[in-house]
Amino acid sequence: NAGVTQTPKFQVLKTGQSMTLQCAQDMNHEYMSWYRQDPGMGLRLIHYSVGAGITDQGEVPNGYNVSRSTTEDFPLRLLSAAPSQTSVYFCASSQNRVGRTEAFFGQGTRLTVV
Amino acid sequence: RKEVEQDPGPFNVPEGATVAFNCTYSNSASQSFFWYRQDCRKEPKLLMSVYSSGNEDGRFTAQLNRASQYISLLIRDSKLSDSATYLCVVNRGGGGSYIPTFGRGTSLIVHP
Repeated sequence: NAGVTQTPKFQVLKTGQSMTLQCAQDMNHEYMSWYRQDPGMGLRLIHYSVGAGITDQGEVPNGYNVSRSTTEDFPLRLLSAAPSQTSVYFCASSQNRVGRTEAFFGQGTRLTVV
Repeated sequence: RKEVEQDPGPFNVPEGATVAFNCTYSNSASQSFFWYRQDCRKEPKLLMSVYSSGNEDGRFTAQLNRASQYISLLIRDSKLSDSATYLCVVNRGGGGSYIPTFGRGTSLIVHP
């Protein structure tokens, strides 16, 4: 029972490089999202998806792209890394249902852009 | 105004103390409410859901006040292991999607 799996756990990038953070869930959840967490800022929503083929922007989408070709996977792409993107990134998934839907998180990716 | 607001603390309390956190939300259409716990350098995990009638789980009590748009978390008989950041989470609802919005978290430090 893997839940939400994020890879890699740590990454160092040079400014201008691109990379993809992977997120996969095996709970058949419709809703998936990406957050970044910076000291004193809490969790800020980058992009989210309510189902395969559907994505939308969150609070801080600039510099990131997402796609949702399957229910299970929701990769986050950094197009041209900048030092301001140094952060901890969390992927989360939940059922898209009325009521008390718990969000499950991956273990996080600690990204440093130099 | 942020959609979900919390006092960041830190709340520094001795073992055995009772401590309470509040959280306010701005969207009156919000439908679901939760408290999450996040340990240092770890992912957030669900602590408890918050029901309209209030609910209790051991030493933890959560309450919802829809009229004033706030939720609260009360921790009784604090333990050292309760030291963590507590995140208030509100699901906005509407349009068929239930999008969790997180507060910035309240830091709790329980000392001997």
